[in-house]
Amino acid sequence: GDSVTQTEGLVTLTEGLPVMLNCTYQTIYSNPFLFWYVQHLNESPRLLLKSFTDNKRTEHQGFHATLHKSSSSFHLQKSSAQLSDSALYYCALLQQGTGSKLSFGKGAKLTVSP
Amino acid sequence: EAAVTQSPRNKVAVTGGKVTLSCNQTNNHNNMYWYRQDTGHGLRLIHYSYGAGSTEKGDIPDGYKASRPSQENFSLILELATPSQTSVYFCASGGTGGEQFFGPGTRLTVL
Repeated sequence: GDSVTQTEGLVTLTEGLPVMLNCTYQTIYSNPFLFWYVQHLNESPRLLLKSFTDNKRTEHQGFHATLHKSSSSFHLQKSSAQLSDSALYYCALLQQGTGSKLSFGKGAKLTVSP
Repeated sequence: EAAVTQSPRNKVAVTGGKVTLSCNQTNNHNNMYWYRQDTGHGLRLIHYSYGAGSTEKGDIPDGYKASRPSQENFSLILELATPSQTSVYFCASGGTGGEQFFGPGTRLTVL
């Protein structure tokens, strides 16, 4: 079935360094829909980025990701981490044809320190 | 105004007791979802619904029931709560494009 594998656990960065969180997926569908959700402390998850177009960069709030169907990847990047980027990040894959369920990765907790 | 609301926000229950978590959405979405969130496991889908009157099992439905009496409301029911069900529960609504909108969460502790 559909599945997502992403950078898991704790990721610690110093402010100003680049952010890279990996996400790969498996699906039977030829046109996958991929998402990144972000959850700040004591808040609920919210959509950060989404894409269903192969090789097209999508950007929001300084973060960007490109869906690469050839490598089944949708890595999240940012050129310079900020303290406010500290949060939990989930990669998710739409399970098409099943009522729009999402398959979430296990999440990566990003901590940015001064 | 928050489009997805949950009640209660915090709940302490006793083992063997019945717990009902409620969710209301004003997004007019057909799809609604219940997740639990635990460290090391991320977000796991418990039940979901395509519309009023429908409920479907998610990935971890054991020990939970769901009810969708209307487009706006979706409840999660723990008939016999156990300590292993201590968690944070999120309700979400979504359309066909996959974007989901989450409620604020309910922190449930089962003693």
